[in-house]
Amino acid sequence: GENVEQHPSTLSVQEGDSAVIKCTYSDSASNYFPWYKQELGKRPQLIIDIRSNVGEKKDQRIAVTLNKTAKHFSLHITETQPEDSAVYFCAASAAGGGADGLTFGKGTHLIIQP
Amino acid sequence: DAGVIQSPRHEVTEMGQEVTLRCKPISGHDYLFWYRQTMMRGLELLIYFNNNVPIDDSGMPEDRFSAKMPNASFSTLKIQPSEPRDSAVYFCASSLELSYEQYFGPGTRLTVT
Repeated sequence: GENVEQHPSTLSVQEGDSAVIKCTYSDSASNYFPWYKQELGKRPQLIIDIRSNVGEKKDQRIAVTLNKTAKHFSLHITETQPEDSAVYFCAASAAGGGADGLTFGKGTHLIIQP
Repeated sequence: DAGVIQSPRHEVTEMGQEVTLRCKPISGHDYLFWYRQTMMRGLELLIYFNNNVPIDDSGMPEDRFSAKMPNASFSTLKIQPSEPRDSAVYFCASSLELSYEQYFGPGTRLTVT
C-alpha cells in the first residue's frame, strides 16, 4: 500500500515569513495529493489539492508543487499570519487505478511567531 | 446542507463495553470514510464505503471493529468489546468521488477507561 512521509513534524516561523512543508510518497500510481489543515480541536479541512497532470497550483498565499519523478510534493505558505497556526496534513491516493482511499502523512504543527 | 453529522461528540465508557459511533454523510455524496486520529498514529483510514458497499476495510484494526452502512444517509462504527487503546478521536468524512474533497464531521472523542 501507499506510504506517505511528512517533514518537518514541527515548524516555527516568524509572522510574515514563508513556510514550506514537504511530503514523499511511495506508490507511483498515486495521482491525487490533497492538503488538509486542522486547527486545535477542530476537524481537518481541505485547503488545496493537486492532481498528477499538473506540477504546481496556487491559491492566494498557498501553493503546492508536485514532482512525480521524485515522488514528492510540497506546500508553500507565503506571508504567514497568526491564523495559519495549525496542523497540516498531506495525503496521497491512487484512486484512479485502484480502490485505495487517502493515506495521510503524520502532520506538521505550524507555529506562527508574532 | 448541515455538513457531515456525527454522534455522540464525546463518549466515555469502561473497558469491555460496546461502543457505537454514528455518522450522517452529506446528501448526494457517494463515498463515506471512517478515520481514527491519535497522537501516536496520526490520521488512519479504517474503512470506506461506495454507494453503501464497503470497499476497503484493510485499516480496521481487528475483529472487535465493525462498520455498516444500511442506507445512503447513515453509517455506524461499532467496537465490541472496547479497550483502553481504542481511545481516540473518530472522524467520519464523505465525498462525491474518491479523489475529491472529503468533508469531515466534527468527530467523536472516545475515552475507554
